[in-house]
Amino acid sequence: EDQVTQSPEALRLQEGESSSLNCSYTVSGLRGLFWYRQDPGKGPEFLFTLYSAGEEKEKERLKATLTKKESFLHITAPKPEDSATYLCAVAGGTSYGKLTFGQGTILTVHP
Amino acid sequence: GAVVSQHPSWVICKSGTSVKIECRSLDFQATTMFWYRQFPKQSLMLMATSNEGSKATYEQGVEKDKFLINHASLTLSTLTVTSAHPEDSSFYICSARDNRVDGKLFFGSGTQLSVL
Repeated sequence: EDQVTQSPEALRLQEGESSSLNCSYTVSGLRGLFWYRQDPGKGPEFLFTLYSAGEEKEKERLKATLTKKESFLHITAPKPEDSATYLCAVAGGTSYGKLTFGQGTILTVHP
Repeated sequence: GAVVSQHPSWVICKSGTSVKIECRSLDFQATTMFWYRQFPKQSLMLMATSNEGSKATYEQGVEKDKFLINHASLTLSTLTVTSAHPEDSSFYICSARDNRVDGKLFFGSGTQLSVL
């Protein structure tokens, strides 16, 4: 059974204070690891897909990396508008569209 | 990017009534759609996989007679919560797979269901 664990559960940062979110996973045959951002009361917004260990992707202040056991979402010089819940999910085996989600990390960036 | 429209955004209903939620892929055809449920401060839990033209596949523990899924066309899947009870109150989200973009999933905006 695929499992995803995210840490920390909640993270409070000052504006400009860089940090990282962790996503540890176990999956049978990783097809992809996904990062999403979710604002309260809204559906998840796609950020990145990583397919293999060593892969990195960047978007504005966010950078996602992947190893064989975990993924990190690095946030550089965050701004208050980066405050959201960040979700990690994996797709494994033969069902590419079936995602297993972590519980999310609630990020709050104070001005 | 691809757009998935979900309707309604919120619904309040009385216990015992049925509620239908629609999920539409607006600019692409989706042979497969997924329905998730999210309780407050928890992550998304997959309820079922909806396949166009065939029966949905339900996850363990999800009552298929209570959560009816219909995927009658390549752009529309519906979730009907039958005989809703307060414990069915939750945030329901659909997603659709866009095979034009390597099977990337796009999510609807969600439906907040409150059963009184």
